[in-house]
Amino acid sequence: DARVTQTPRHKVTEMGQEVTMRCQPILGHNTVFWYRQTMMQGLELLAYFRNRAPLDDSGMPKDRFSAEMPDATLATLKIQPSEPRDSAVYFCASGLDRGETQYFGPGTRLLVL
Amino acid sequence: DQQVKQNSPSLSVQEGRISILNCDYTNSMFDYFLWYKKYPAEGPTFLISISSIKDKNEDGRFTVFLNKSAKHLSLHIVPSQPGDSAVYFCAARHNFGNEKLTFGTGTRLTIIP
Repeated sequence: DARVTQTPRHKVTEMGQEVTMRCQPILGHNTVFWYRQTMMQGLELLAYFRNRAPLDDSGMPKDRFSAEMPDATLATLKIQPSEPRDSAVYFCASGLDRGETQYFGPGTRLLVL
Repeated sequence: DQQVKQNSPSLSVQEGRISILNCDYTNSMFDYFLWYKKYPAEGPTFLISISSIKDKNEDGRFTVFLNKSAKHLSLHIVPSQPGDSAVYFCAARHNFGNEKLTFGTGTRLTIIP
């Protein structure tokens, strides 16, 4: 049963701390997306990669957020320093280019105090 | 600027009746539309999609209708079942193969037994 996995599932931290979220895409998928869900904006695309190369990170606050794919089985999203307004659920999704859809992980619920 | 809008945050429907969820979009470059379903503490899962060359796509109890001239799509669920209670997201993208999705804010559907 192929699934996207995300760690941690929950994270509580204090303002100013670094937060790292990890994602393992479905094996064989070459496109990885990071989304953020908030009550007001719904699901917003932060960044996405194809074959580990970043294609679009225009949705990310550049001064504090960074996204990388160290290898094909791991994607990371870092926030440094974190702020209370970053509190949200962060989803990773993967898919195939030319594929019909994206497959989402269970999300990381982040609370910044 | 919300390019995909779901104007009803919530909807309650009696079990067995038809549920109709609506979505409007403003970007005429969108040509592929998807519906995702999300249960609490889980990631969204793909439900059904439609290409702009069609005006209807059906999959079991789920039918999506597209009205391009009105830039409007709807998801019909009939008959509605208690397990359909979830948040439904409408999403859109430019041309097949470019999987960057723009999501609406979601509609919470509650099926009343």
